[in-house]
Amino acid sequence: AQSVTQLGSHVSVSEGALVLLRCNYSSSVPPYLFWYVQYPNQGLQLLLKYTTGATLVKGINGFEAEFKKSETSFHLTKPSAHMSDAAEYFCAVSNTGNQFYFGTGTSLTVIP
Amino acid sequence: NAGVTQTPKFQVLKTGQSMTLQCAQDMNHEYMSWYRQDPGMGLRLIHYSVGAGITDQGEVPNGYNVSRSTTEDFPLRLLSAAPSQTSVYFCASNLAAGLQETQYFGPGTRLLVL
Repeated sequence: AQSVTQLGSHVSVSEGALVLLRCNYSSSVPPYLFWYVQYPNQGLQLLLKYTTGATLVKGINGFEAEFKKSETSFHLTKPSAHMSDAAEYFCAVSNTGNQFYFGTGTSLTVIP
Repeated sequence: NAGVTQTPKFQVLKTGQSMTLQCAQDMNHEYMSWYRQDPGMGLRLIHYSVGAGITDQGEVPNGYNVSRSTTEDFPLRLLSAAPSQTSVYFCASNLAAGLQETQYFGPGTRLLVL
C-alpha cells in the first residue's frame, strides 16, 4: 500500500520568507508525485508534478519541488512568500492500480 | 470549456434519505473519480472509472454507488445517508487513465447529513 505523509498540518511564514512544505511518500516502485493547491471553497488545482526526467520540477506561481528518491521526499518550496499563497496544499502520489493517494494537507498562512 | 462541474453546491439530508451528486466534464476525459474531503484526513478516493461502462472501488466505497453510462457524466449515489457521510465531495477527471496525468477537480459539493 502507498501512503503520503505531510509534516505539519499548519505552517506560518512571513511575507517574503521562504516557504517549505514537506512531503514524504512510501512506495515500492518509482512513483508519480504531485502537489495541488486548494483555495478556500474551491476545488484543487495542480501546482506541479514529477513523472520522469529532471528531479527538480518547476510549477506555477514560483513554486518548485525536488524529487529525492534516497529520502523518499518531494518537498515544495518557494523562495519568497506572497499573501496570495495562503491556501491548503496537498501532496499526492500514484504508481500502480489506477489510484491516486493524497496527503492530509498543509494549511499555509502568510503573515504580512 | 466548463471543465468539471458539480451539482448541487450544498445539500442537507436527513439520515436515511437518498440522493445523487452530479458530476460532468466536457473535456472528453476517460478517467473520472470521486473523493471525499474531511478535516485532518485529506482526500480519500471513493470510486473511480477508467472509461464509460467501467467503474471500480477506491479506499472508502461503502455507502456509495456509481455508474458511468457516458464519458461525460459520473454520478455518485448515496442510497441511505448517514451522519458519517457528512463531508465535502469532489469529482475529478483526467484525460487518460495514466497515473502521470493531471487531475482536474470540480468545485465540490458540501453535504450535511442530520
